[in-house]
Amino acid sequence: GAVVSQHPSWVICKSGTSVKIECRSLDFQATTMFWYRQFPKQSLMLMATSNEGSKATYEQGVEKDKFLINHASLTLSTLTVTSAHPEDSSFYICSASPSGRAEQFFGPGTRLTVL
Amino acid sequence: GDSVTQMEGPVTLSEEAFLTINCTYTATGYPSLFWYVQYPGEGLQLLLKATKADDKGSNKGFEATYRKETTSFHLEKGSVQVSDSAVYFCALPEQGAQKLVFGQGTRLTINP
Repeated sequence: GAVVSQHPSWVICKSGTSVKIECRSLDFQATTMFWYRQFPKQSLMLMATSNEGSKATYEQGVEKDKFLINHASLTLSTLTVTSAHPEDSSFYICSASPSGRAEQFFGPGTRLTVL
Repeated sequence: GDSVTQMEGPVTLSEEAFLTINCTYTATGYPSLFWYVQYPGEGLQLLLKATKADDKGSNKGFEATYRKETTSFHLEKGSVQVSDSAVYFCALPEQGAQKLVFGQGTRLTINP
């Protein structure tokens, strides 16, 4: 149980284009989902907390107009990297918490490369 | 605020060696404690958890005991395998928030 999927697993795009990453909780409902960014050999950096049906809460220093988050249902959250640039290249990981539980279950990650 | 401190890595061991990865925390109250594992190129997997003092979490031969007197949650395994090579993260839920506070991660390499 508690499986989270991400799609795509990797994406290569040209500078200036937008990329959408999907995060789904497959066997549970998640009122809260999280989006992280991870640089090589570093810990995870929380970008934003996404609550179903409301606006995401962004961490300090994360541009909300750059990283658009939509949590339209209890099983799906999307992260759109708008007008991507090479510095946005990174490993993006989502997670989800079943209602009433403190632990998070993570997706397999999406490797974004912006050329 | 709440924080988690893990032992510095990287850690390199031979197969069948005993493993300890130290984790200490600072928190208000007695939060649940977690160990996550990240294999190369993948997301994090919940390895084990403990929800209250003196609880022992265990999974895949790994164990960790919630010690409130020393505010610690050290990860141990009696005999490591090459397949245990990964990065290990200690974490706890931030007081009053939904997000997790992570340690910096400890990279473990097991040589055959």
